[in-house]
Amino acid sequence: GAGVSQTPSNKVTEKGKYVELRCDPISGHTALYWYRQSLGQGPEFLIYFQGTGAADDSGLPNDRFFAVRPEGSVSTLKIQRTERGDSAVYLCASSLTGVFGETQYFGPGTRLLVL
Amino acid sequence: AQKVTQAQTEISVVEKEDVTLDCVYETRDTTYYLFWYKQPPSGELVFLIRRNSFDEQNEISGRYSWNFQKSTSSFNFTITASQVVDSAVYFCALSEFNNNDMRFGAGTRLTVKP
Repeated sequence: GAGVSQTPSNKVTEKGKYVELRCDPISGHTALYWYRQSLGQGPEFLIYFQGTGAADDSGLPNDRFFAVRPEGSVSTLKIQRTERGDSAVYLCASSLTGVFGETQYFGPGTRLLVL
Repeated sequence: AQKVTQAQTEISVVEKEDVTLDCVYETRDTTYYLFWYKQPPSGELVFLIRRNSFDEQNEISGRYSWNFQKSTSSFNFTITASQVVDSAVYFCALSEFNNNDMRFGAGTRLTVKP
């Protein structure tokens, strides 16, 4: 079966622009997570979806970041008015039910570069 | 607060050597999970192992083994007879009960030379 997929794999944008990053989780997984990984660091949690709703968005750095998952499957991470500091790899993960301690399976990430 | 420390930033070994990657964690919870992931140059995080806080049994999977010691808050990972394909960044991560986020260490970059 297919794993987690993310598009685009790379995105270059200019400061101030709007970007959308897409995640397609493993089929049947109800839980979906977004992480951000800066160079030389481990992934940092951004937001967690259980089904269609954002169950925990405590990791979003500010209100320029927003994510949706309207049908409980594909999710889109949206960044408004991008800044150079937003440059990072954005990782998506999914797990079967979202129960505590469940293994999360990661996609290949989207590498975002803000010029 | 959760915290995961991987003190070794980079390790370089020659093929067939054994290597241990250290992971020390901090948590006030008694219920938690620990994970190891591998991130090869392709960038995708690959799940290796999950261990809950109530299971201190060491685990071996082929050339990989893990040593979990609650007394020292450590969850170390050993690769026996390393191979070039083991070259990657390895992350240790902690998940606390009722927290949805998984807290990762900064990773250890392992280079295995032929």
